Amino acid sequence: GQNIDQPTEMTATEGAIVQINCTYQTSGFNGLFWYQQHAGEAPTFLSYNVLDGLEEKGRFSSFLSRSKGYSYLLLKELQMKDSASYLCAVRDINSWGKFQFGAGTQVVVTP
Amino acid sequence: EPEVTQTPSHQVTQMGQEVILRCVPISNHLYFYWYRQILGQKVEFLVSFYNNEISEKSEIFDDQFSVERPDGSNFTLKIRSTKLEDSAMYFCASSITPGTASYNEQFFGPGTRLTVL
Repeated sequence: GQNIDQPTEMTATEGAIVQINCTYQTSGFNGLFWYQQHAGEAPTFLSYNVLDGLEEKGRFSSFLSRSKGYSYLLLKELQMKDSASYLCAVRDINSWGKFQFGAGTQVVVTP
Repeated sequence: EPEVTQTPSHQVTQMGQEVILRCVPISNHLYFYWYRQILGQKVEFLVSFYNNEISEKSEIFDDQFSVERPDGSNFTLKIRSTKLEDSAMYFCASSITPGTASYNEQFFGPGTRLTVL
């Protein structure tokens, strides 16, 4: 099974940078995913890491260290619309579609 | 832009009744999923479906649950005899196909909120 930990809530001001950490303990690993979820809406895919290192996609970057069981999502130039829950999810080894989600980190962007 | 659609948006049912939640995945996608999210809790994987059969399922997906692709466009989740604890938001998702770079991106539908009374 998987155990996925991420902070419950983070607050940052518009224009700033926020880093959301995710640690996981797994019996197997086949990729780490980050999703954004606005209240009452569906999750939206943000990023995917399966190898160590940094993946950059516009204002969002995601980092993975498999040996440490650690990932982070970096949000730059924060905008008010970035206020949402950010979900870390790990895919099971030998699996294409079985995911374990973290509880999510609620990011609050203030003016 | 293509999207996953789900109907109904909200379903209210009595305990013990059967419900069918419907999803229309993106048309060229071949891998389908159901997830649920109890209010205020984390998203939980239920089942994945590929090539007209269940690919993987979680411990939650017991005999009360079943999935079906009755035609070329719909993907359904049936709960045979609903319980109070089945009240949740149910999300359908789809992705292209295993083995492609695009596969890793899942597209979620807007969800069906199921309320069991």
